[in-house]
Amino acid sequence: DVKVTQSSRYLVKRTGEKVFLECVQDMDHENMFWYRQDPGLGLRLIYFSYDVKMKEKGDIPEGYSVSREKKERFSLILESASTNQTSMYLCASSSGSIQETQYFGPGTRLLVL
Amino acid sequence: SQKIEQNSEALNIQEGKTATLTCNYTNYSPAYLQWYRQDPGRGPVFLLLIRENEKEKRKERLKVTFDTTLKQSLFHITASQPADSATYLCALDPSSSNTGKLIFGQGTTLQVKP
Repeated sequence: DVKVTQSSRYLVKRTGEKVFLECVQDMDHENMFWYRQDPGLGLRLIYFSYDVKMKEKGDIPEGYSVSREKKERFSLILESASTNQTSMYLCASSSGSIQETQYFGPGTRLLVL
Repeated sequence: SQKIEQNSEALNIQEGKTATLTCNYTNYSPAYLQWYRQDPGRGPVFLLLIRENEKEKRKERLKVTFDTTLKQSLFHITASQPADSATYLCALDPSSSNTGKLIFGQGTTLQVKP
């Protein structure tokens, strides 16, 4: 079974703090993704990576950065957290094949005070 | 503009009935479309994929149709059960280059009452 794990289920941070969200997958997948999910807005892609050290912006990259130093690990960084970044963050991975499904982690619910 | 839309209103049905959820899209020409299930507080889980040259796909009590002329996919759950209560998301690849990126609809919440 594919397993995607995220470092925290719940996180509370203060405005201005630097926040690291980590995601690890165990299926040797090429592609990894970070989304945020908000009521009424659905899942929105922040960044994705299709190889180690490669990254591409998604639809809402502002205020975020990412790091992929190893194939299995994809980190999302909030350089200076703001209250409008309070959200559910979901990581996903997929193999490099076309039409591959995405496998999601359990999500991290982040509250920025 | 490009859009993928699902009925944002919750769908409430009686146990045993067939649930039908709709996914409409505009200004995309996807090679395939996927459906996911999401339970509260959890990540989405893949259910079915249907390709543009397939009219219908079945998996146990689930059936998906894909009409590229209407730009619509329908997701059916027959003999619905309370355990089917969840939010269902449709997703498609927005680019012709098949990058593996997906665009998701907002999801439709299904409530099956016993």
